[in-house]
Amino acid sequence: DGGITQSPKYLFRKEGQNVTLSCEQNLNHDAMYWYRQDPGQGLRLIYYSQIVNDFQKGDIAEGYSVSREKKESFPLTVTSAQKNPTAFYLCASSTAVLNSPLHFGNGTRLTVT
Amino acid sequence: GDSVTQMEGPVTLSEEAFLTINCTYTATGYPSLFWYVQYPGEGLQLLLKATKADDKGSNKGFEATYRKETTSFHLEKGSVQVSDSAVYFCALSSPGGATNKLIFGTGTLLAVQP
Repeated sequence: DGGITQSPKYLFRKEGQNVTLSCEQNLNHDAMYWYRQDPGQGLRLIYYSQIVNDFQKGDIAEGYSVSREKKESFPLTVTSAQKNPTAFYLCASSTAVLNSPLHFGNGTRLTVT
Repeated sequence: GDSVTQMEGPVTLSEEAFLTINCTYTATGYPSLFWYVQYPGEGLQLLLKATKADDKGSNKGFEATYRKETTSFHLEKGSVQVSDSAVYFCALSSPGGATNKLIFGTGTLLAVQP
């Protein structure tokens, strides 16, 4: 079955460490996105990529980095510069057709102590 | 900038009750509008969408009509079930954009009691 796989489901890190969240899709979608979800704030866009080897900052990119070396993969690194990294992170993908739906993974819950 | 405002939850209903979750938006031009649903511990799934004024999106008994005059996209269902318990997100796709990135509301938790 086609879909988006995020791993791991739960991730724990110590403050000051960088951590990379995995996102893989086998839907052959061109575009991929990273959102952060916090209670009472909905989803906020961190980074997005419309094509391999290209990506753009979203609304809250500070303290995060991404790469898009393969169409199927869009890993997100949460760096030590991110002031409040504890959150639920959601990866999504879509075709390039406008208004096509976003397909979401099941998320990674990151806890930094 | 573009934004989405949803009614705050939680919304608690008894099974078979009528559901309305309010959503209004601010955008220049004519955005496309979406409702997504998130079940516990999962990602979001598209529930329905409307891409132009007066369009009605519908799916699984849920409906929402794109009202340009009131900049609204309220979600309704005539008879909710316990299995509808989830968080519902209203979202918009910025008009004139070249991507499908979405702006989301804060989400509304729906709890349906048997």
